[in-house]
Amino acid sequence: LAKTTQPISMDSYEGQEVNITCSHNNIATNDYITWYQQFPSQGPRFIIQGYKTKVTNEVASLFIPADRKSSTLSLPRVSLSDTAVYYCLVGDITGFQKLVFGTGTRLLVSP
Amino acid sequence: DTAVSQTPKYLVTQMGNDKSIKCEQNLGHDTMYWYKQDSKKFLKIMFSYNNKELIINETVPNRFSPKSPDKAHLNLHINSLELGDSAVYFCASSQDRETLNNEQFFGPGTRLTVL
Repeated sequence: LAKTTQPISMDSYEGQEVNITCSHNNIATNDYITWYQQFPSQGPRFIIQGYKTKVTNEVASLFIPADRKSSTLSLPRVSLSDTAVYYCLVGDITGFQKLVFGTGTRLLVSP
Repeated sequence: DTAVSQTPKYLVTQMGNDKSIKCEQNLGHDTMYWYKQDSKKFLKIMFSYNNKELIINETVPNRFSPKSPDKAHLNLHINSLELGDSAVYFCASSQDRETLNNEQFFGPGTRLTVL
């Protein structure tokens, strides 16, 4: 699986938009980009997945440039409950996907 | 109606003991996984089963033995527990290989402490 690089931590305030960027220079043609969220003392939870351009759901948006060597998870108007670790994963989703979690980005949202 | 459940939530035991962690999913998924998250918060896959068949077996000591009695259950048995086995163990499940979005659903985790 392609290796990913994310900031170790980010700080924000309630109501702000947060953008977390992930680098994946060695992404393969068949690879998709997936983001998971993990709250303390809980298992990771799927947030969003995309292949190229932009994907949006009720929780977040995912921006992927044309070269696909990076991606940005955008969380609109964060709240205190968005404090969590966010993981960027890249891999081939056909077949059995072996998720490889990196260090993730620890987001702290303050009042 | 918990999707992926694990028991127990906490497990404290002595070195050398044998223990089991149970996992059940009611999502009708064909694939189940075990992950280990250590004290540094690194989350690593250990095993994956598809329809009761072992698919992924990472470099895990053979003291760890997964058992899948049916596709809704994947239990993890650990023999001769060591201090380094202390971690949080997560079970997860996903649909089969034919689905485009192979989203994994994780259980709440089992915190194992070996004394």
